Amino acid sequence: GESVGLHLPTLSVQEGDNSIINCAYSNSASDYFIWYKQESGKGPQFIIDIRSNMDKRQGQRVTVLLNKTVKHLSLQIAATQPGDSAVYFCAENSGTYKYIFGTGTRLKVLA
Amino acid sequence: NAGVTQTPKFQVLKTGQSMTLQCAQDMNHNSMYWYRQDPGMGLRLIYYSASEGTTDKGEVPNGYNVSRLNKREFSLRLESAAPSQTSVYFCASSEAIRTPYGYTFGSGTRLTVV
Repeated sequence: GESVGLHLPTLSVQEGDNSIINCAYSNSASDYFIWYKQESGKGPQFIIDIRSNMDKRQGQRVTVLLNKTVKHLSLQIAATQPGDSAVYFCAENSGTYKYIFGTGTRLKVLA
Repeated sequence: NAGVTQTPKFQVLKTGQSMTLQCAQDMNHNSMYWYRQDPGMGLRLIYYSASEGTTDKGEVPNGYNVSRLNKREFSLRLESAAPSQTSVYFCASSEAIRTPYGYTFGSGTRLTVV
């Protein structure tokens, strides 16, 4: 898994601070979005999803915001912990079998 | 633990060799997928199987074949490996083609073709 992250943008945050990870999606017809977390050497793991009829959805320590006007998605992680260190990427779907996956952002949590 | 199991975890092949990547899920999911993940690119769909008995091409099917052996198992075959197929391969499954909670992914197979 390490080779996958060579070209990724990196966000470094202090432990305990809030993190905001952004994603620009490509298809204005997309109506379902997912955020995934991928730890080194592991497969992607579902974090939270949102449908296009919503602007905001909250989970445990995570919030996803959707701005359809500018085709932008963000993931907010409250009180970031060392275990949050990973690559995060979004995925969009327009009602077919096909998801379009973003390239991801690496989150580094500083102690 | 329930989930998606991929074998092998690592593999090195010589150009022209063949191999099969195995995938099994124990969640009684109908749909299964094979993706590849390359540096600087998002996951790309190679093949998918919407349900047992069906398979379809994804974005990047060239050089690959698949078999949906039964509801649990979905294998990916490289008939004549090429260096361009060096990648991390992920198998995934879901209840249906488009379902809440997205897909459950396996831990990946890291393939190097020399």
